[in-house]
Amino acid sequence: QKEVEQDPGPLSVPEGAIVSLNCTYSNSAFQYFMWYRQYSRKGPELLMYTYSSGNKEDGRFTAQVDKSSKYISLFIRDSQPSDSATYLCATHYGGATNKLIFGTGTLLAVQP
Amino acid sequence: SAVISQKPSRDICQRGTSLTIQCQVDSQVTMMFWYRQQPGQSLTLIATANQGSEATYESGFVIDKFPISRPNLTFSTLTVSNMSPEDSSIYLCSVASGLTGGYTFGSGTRLTVV
Repeated sequence: QKEVEQDPGPLSVPEGAIVSLNCTYSNSAFQYFMWYRQYSRKGPELLMYTYSSGNKEDGRFTAQVDKSSKYISLFIRDSQPSDSATYLCATHYGGATNKLIFGTGTLLAVQP
Repeated sequence: SAVISQKPSRDICQRGTSLTIQCQVDSQVTMMFWYRQQPGQSLTLIATANQGSEATYESGFVIDKFPISRPNLTFSTLTVSNMSPEDSSIYLCSVASGLTGGYTFGSGTRLTVV
């Protein structure tokens, strides 16, 4: 079983739609959770960084963590064609361990 | 957050040869990380590079295949040695983002081995 599972998609939505991206993880010891956006031929760009269960909002983006069910989500409101990219969830244990564990990424296409 | 310059951005190499990838950070950082991103697979940590000590490699990665240098607090190189087509991948360096949390990545090196 992979430590972090993510549906690879692709996911295609019309412009203006609400997008829901999800990951599950297997190890309850994971403490920190991140979402990265990766455009084609670019490196991953940090979107959201969270520690506790609950929601964290930044503009059109909301990250949600449910540690009881080991489930993390990213919601994108009013999606734009410029949001078309691969979205990667990631986690790590915290402390002295800096190794990030990534999902495989979900390819999102927002159609104008 | 730190700004990372990584080069080359892409290369096509013959099997059996080696390629050295460079990563330059605009601020001093204790640890630098090297990842591999294979098509359809998760980013996977290759090794952690600390200045002044040998790199720490993850399971499945060895120094002879992926030697790393870390001569100072702003620079690191990763060499992919004796390449085979299976080494075709994107290689990325990364550093901790400091106060903002998370990690910053370079733009990656897209390697194709023929």
